[in-house]
Amino acid sequence: DVKVTQSSRYLVKRTGEKVFLECVQDMDHENMFWYRQDPGLGLRLIYFSYDVKMKEKGDIPEGYSVSREKKERFSLILESASTNQTSMYLCASNRAYEQYFGPGTRLTVT
Amino acid sequence: KNQVEQSPQSLIILEGKNCTLQCNYTVSPFSNLRWYKQDTGRGPVSLTIMTFSENTKSNGRYTATLDADTKQSSLHITASQLSDSASYICVVTRGTGGFKTIFGAGTRLFVKA
Repeated sequence: DVKVTQSSRYLVKRTGEKVFLECVQDMDHENMFWYRQDPGLGLRLIYFSYDVKMKEKGDIPEGYSVSREKKERFSLILESASTNQTSMYLCASNRAYEQYFGPGTRLTVT
Repeated sequence: KNQVEQSPQSLIILEGKNCTLQCNYTVSPFSNLRWYKQDTGRGPVSLTIMTFSENTKSNGRYTATLDADTKQSSLHITASQLSDSASYICVVTRGTGGFKTIFGAGTRLFVKA
């Protein structure tokens, strides 16, 4: 079974803090994604990566950056967290048509 | 504009009843359509995936249909169970290069005893 894990299920940070969200997949997938999910808006793509050290902006990259130093690990970084970044963050990896999601990290910025 | 719209936004049904969720899309060119189930506080889990040539696919009590001409899909749940309470998300992928995947906002299903 494909497994996508995220470092935290729940996270509370203060405004201005630097926040790291980690994602690891164990199926040697090349493609990895970070989404945020807000009520009524569905999933929105922040960044994705199709190879180690490669990254592409998604639909809402502002305020975020990513890092892919190893194939199995894709990190999302909030350089200076703001309250409007309070959301559910979902990581996914991709094989052909099928996309596998992690359990999500609910981030609250106060 | 590439969009995926789902209806209804929320649905409440009694345990044991059937229900149908709708997904209309304007994504072009079309590659595939997927339905996901997302339990509260968890990541989405794939239920079905259909390409252009497929018009029905089943996964247990879940049956998805696709009409590529009218750009509509439905997810039918038979004999609902309390554990079916979740959000159901329709996802459409474009057929051109890149990773353009468009997500619907989801239908929130509540199954009552």
